[in-house]
Amino acid sequence: GQQVMQIPQYQHVQEGEDFTTYCNSSTTLSNIQWYKQRPGGHPVFLIQLVKSGEVKKQKRLTFQFGEAKKNSSLHITATQTTDVGTYFCAGPEGGSEKLVFGKGTKLTVNP
Amino acid sequence: DAGITQSPRHKVTETGTPVTLRCHQTENHRYMYWYRQDPGHGLRLIHYSYGVKDTDKGEVSDGYSVSRSKTEDFLLTLESATSSQTSVYFCAIGLGSTREQYFGPGTRLTVT
Repeated sequence: GQQVMQIPQYQHVQEGEDFTTYCNSSTTLSNIQWYKQRPGGHPVFLIQLVKSGEVKKQKRLTFQFGEAKKNSSLHITATQTTDVGTYFCAGPEGGSEKLVFGKGTKLTVNP
Repeated sequence: DAGITQSPRHKVTETGTPVTLRCHQTENHRYMYWYRQDPGHGLRLIHYSYGVKDTDKGEVSDGYSVSRSKTEDFLLTLESATSSQTSVYFCAIGLGSTREQYFGPGTRLTVT
């Protein structure tokens, strides 16, 4: 079945450093979605990318969708302690109503 | 806030007992999903629903059943709970053509 892989699994940074997580799908995706889950909380939708090569920004967060629509990345510039959490990517499974989630990248930030 | 509630929020039960978790939404959304979250496994889909009485299996459906007799409620049942079903269970609704997921607060289930 379709697989969505994320690396790294864990990332520890000093506050102010940059952070990037990568997402790779075994199949071409019609769209990719990113979620953030704070410790003890539930996943929260951040953004979706639809077009090949698309780049979107949300303040210090930059999201990219690869040209082949099989990979994506989330980059955070100058991390803050509020960025702590697990970041998930997710893509649709074929033509179904299901989403397949990556296992997530857990970010910790040392103040 | 997508108006999603889950009950109970925490439950401890014994192996072999039946357990039902409830997901309730107030905004008449068509698509609803049940996931489980375990360390090292991320979010895995158990079952989902695309309308009243319309459900389909996800990646980890064995040992679970679901029912949706009303738009607002999506029930997840563990017919005979096992320790491997100890997990955090999230309900979600799917919005838009790409089914963006909006999650409820979760239910932490422990099977002893």
